[in-house]
Amino acid sequence: AQSVSQHNHHVILSEAASLELGCNYSYGGTVNLFWYVQYPGQHLQLLLKYFSGDPLVKGIKGFEAEFIKSKFSFNLRKPSVQWSDTAEYFCAVGGGSYIPTFGRGTSLIVHP
Amino acid sequence: EAGVTQFPSHSVIEKGQTVTLRCDPISGHDNLYWYRRVMGKEIKFLLHFVKESKQDESGMPNNRFLAERTGGTYSTLKVQPAELEDSGVYFCASSQGGTGFRHEQYFGPGTRLTVT
Repeated sequence: AQSVSQHNHHVILSEAASLELGCNYSYGGTVNLFWYVQYPGQHLQLLLKYFSGDPLVKGIKGFEAEFIKSKFSFNLRKPSVQWSDTAEYFCAVGGGSYIPTFGRGTSLIVHP
Repeated sequence: EAGVTQFPSHSVIEKGQTVTLRCDPISGHDNLYWYRRVMGKEIKFLLHFVKESKQDESGMPNNRFLAERTGGTYSTLKVQPAELEDSGVYFCASSQGGTGFRHEQYFGPGTRLTVT
C-alpha cells in the first residue's frame, strides 16, 4: 500500500522568505504526484502535478516541485512567499491502483 | 462554468441519526469522487463513480455509508446511523472522462459533519 508523509504540519514564515514543504511517499512503482492547495474559505485546488518527463514541475503562482525518484520525494518550493500564500497544502500520490493517497496537509501562515 | 457544489455546508446531528450529503459535479464530468477528512488527518478516498456506476468503493468505512449517483449526475452520500467517528469534512470532486486520476479533479467546498 502506498503512503504519503508531509513532514511539516505547521509552517510560519515572513513575506519574502523561501518555502520548501517536504513530501515523501512509499510506493515502488510508477507514481503520479500532486500538490493541492486550499486557501481560507476556498475549495481545494490543484497547484501542480507530475506524471512523467522533466522532474522539475512548474505550477501556478510561482510554485514548483521536484520529483526525486531515488529519495521518493516530491517537495514543494517557492523562492519568495507572499501573504496570499497562506493556505493549507496537501501532497498526494497516485500509483498502482491509481487511487490517490493524500498526506495530512501542511498549514502555512505567512506574516506580512 | 459552475464548479462542484455540495450541500449542506455544515450539518450537526446526534449519534444514531441519519444524514444525507449531496454533491453536484461539474456538468459533463463522468468521474465523481467522495473523500473524507477527519480533523487534522489525511484526506481519505471513499469511493469513485464513473457515470452512475461505482468504479471503486474500497474506501467506504462500513455499511453505514451508502452512496448513489442516479442518472450519472449528482450524487448523495448517506450515513445511517451516524456515529461519533463519522465527524469530519466530506469532500466531493469531479473530473472529465478517461483514465481516472490523470485528469484534474475539481473539488467542492466540502460538507462539515459533526456528530454529537
